[in-house]
Amino acid sequence: GAVVSQHPSWVICKSGTSVKIECRSLDFQATTMFWYRQFPKQSLMLMATSNEGSKATYEQGVEKDKFLINHASLTLSTLTVTSAHPEDSSFYICSAAQGGTNEKLFFGSGTQLSVL
Amino acid sequence: DAKTTQPPSMDCAEGRAANLPCNHSTISGNEYVYWYRQIHSQGPQYIIHGLKNNETNEMASLIITEDRKSSTLILPHATLRDTAVYYCIGTGFQKLVFGTGTRLLVSP
Repeated sequence: GAVVSQHPSWVICKSGTSVKIECRSLDFQATTMFWYRQFPKQSLMLMATSNEGSKATYEQGVEKDKFLINHASLTLSTLTVTSAHPEDSSFYICSAAQGGTNEKLFFGSGTQLSVL
Repeated sequence: DAKTTQPPSMDCAEGRAANLPCNHSTISGNEYVYWYRQIHSQGPQYIIHGLKNNETNEMASLIITEDRKSSTLILPHATLRDTAVYYCIGTGFQKLVFGTGTRLLVSP
């Protein structure tokens, strides 16, 4: 099946620094990717929709200047957490759709971010 | 996306069938029912999806009621590795909005 690779798997950073998370579709092209975050024992919360070649669409309550999304190619989307703070510590997950119709979505393995 | 309602938790004995219900009474005609599961600290895994007809694949079966207001995911022979949170999602687009899901515990 289609594979979505997410890197890094985990990252620890100091408060005030920025962290970049990559999401790659390995064997298919994805014009649209999605970014989620998940706090412990909670469900996934959709943060934004990443569109190749255009600006991302953010869900209500998600700061676009805080969570920068770049979808520069059909196989790569990046999420940058800028000026990270301890409250940004979370599990971040991306997904990508194979095909432009109602196909299955494939998820990355997630990135655990810990901000000290 | 359709609002879905699932029991918060269920238990199942290893080797028995696990039947996970989902209520999606507000689902519209062009929205599919998707099932995903998430094992601890991993990304969600696709299980199955359907529109009107019952579906079966190597992982599970999906039974959708005729009025499409509810569905049941069936894991025919649950194993310990099936312990996970199972999410039912009603959507017509690629964007998936996750509810709280059902935490399935499979015990020996």
